[in-house]
Parts: sequence; structure tokens; C-alpha cells
Amino acid sequence: QKEVEQNSGPLSVPEGAIASLNCTYSDRVSQSFFWYRQYSGKSPELIMSIYSNGDKEDGRFTAQLNKASQYVSLLIRDSQPSDSATYLCSTGTASKLTFGTGTRLQVTL
Amino acid sequence: GAVVSQHPSRVICKSGTSVKIECRSLDFQATTMFWYRQFPKQSLMLMATSNEGSKATYEQGVEKDKFLINHASLTLSTLTVTSAHPEDSSFYICSATDRANEQYFGPGTRLTVT
Repeated sequence: QKEVEQNSGPLSVPEGAIASLNCTYSDRVSQSFFWYRQYSGKSPELIMSIYSNGDKEDGRFTAQLNKASQYVSLLIRDSQPSDSATYLCSTGTASKLTFGTGTRLQVTL
Repeated sequence: GAVVSQHPSRVICKSGTSVKIECRSLDFQATTMFWYRQFPKQSLMLMATSNEGSKATYEQGVEKDKFLINHASLTLSTLTVTSAHPEDSSFYICSATDRANEQYFGPGTRLTVT
């Protein structure tokens, strides 16, 4: 079983819709969770971090964490074509992060 | 967020030569830096963790004598790919953690070995 699992996609949503990206992890002791956005040919960019159960909102992004279910998600409201990218979920500590393979999001006009 | 730079952004070298990649934290001191490799359509794979003033910790399967890491200061870590071969061609990305223990990535270095 992979440590961090994501559906590779592509996830296609129309412009203005909500994109929902999901991630499950296997390590129950994970305390830190991150979502990164990676455009093709570029390095990852941190967009959200979440450390406790519940929701965390930042602009159009909302991260949701459920440690009991070992599940973390990212919602993108009012999706824009510029949101089209691969979204990487990661968990771990300051000394080591484990990444999922990423979900490719396509926002269509 | 914190800014991490890498140099060069792109390098082409001949098989058997060595290549050095620099990673700098520009606006913060990074006690720990990380080196990743990413092949096309694959996820990031951690190669090693670099701590200032001490030897790097390599992940299983990563040859420490082939991928030399030096972390001479709190703002600079270097990765040297020695005797590079075509299979070493990849996207090499460094990252550094800030005081909030969040990892920020450099822009990456695309290495092509011919």
C-alpha cells in the first residue's frame, strides 16, 4: 500500500465549478498535511497546510482533514483555467515529507 | 512564502562528466534542505536530507558517492551528480523548511545527460 494515495485523474471541471481533490494516507502518526500545486515543467508550490481536524480556508481554497479516516481533501471554489495543474498531497514532518503521485486537474472553458 | 532559488535551471552535459547544482534560501536560514528527483509523470522522490554542517542523510537506493551533497551554510546546499549517465537525466528539485516547518521548493534544475 502506498503511503499517500491520490487519484491520478485527470479531473475535469468546468470553469466556475468546485473542484474536489482527495487524498488518503497510511501513516497514522502523520501530523502535518500539505497541498502543493505543480504546473507542467515547474516545481511544486505550497498552497495549503493543515494540521488539525476540520476545515481550513484560504481564499478559494479549503483544505479538509479527517485524521480518524486518514483522509485529507482540497476544495477549489470558482475554478479557473489557471488552476489547471497537478495537485500533490503530502504528509509528514519537518524532517521528511511523503508525496502522493498527484491529481491532474483540468478546468475547462 | 519563503523563496528558494536553484542554479542552473537547465543543464546539458556529456556522459561521464559531473554537474553541480546549487540551492539557496534567499530570505531565511534553512537548517535543513532536501533534494528530490522527479521523472516525467512521476511523483517527487526524496533523494537526501541535507543538514547544515553535517553529512547528508540519503534515502534507500540513492548512491551517496554518486550524488554528493554539501550544506556549507544555512542558506546554501549543493548537489553534485558525479560521472553522470543518461539515466540520471531528470528534474532535480531542492527544498528548504522555514521556521514554520513548511517546505518551500526551488524552481528545479532539468538535467539532460547525452
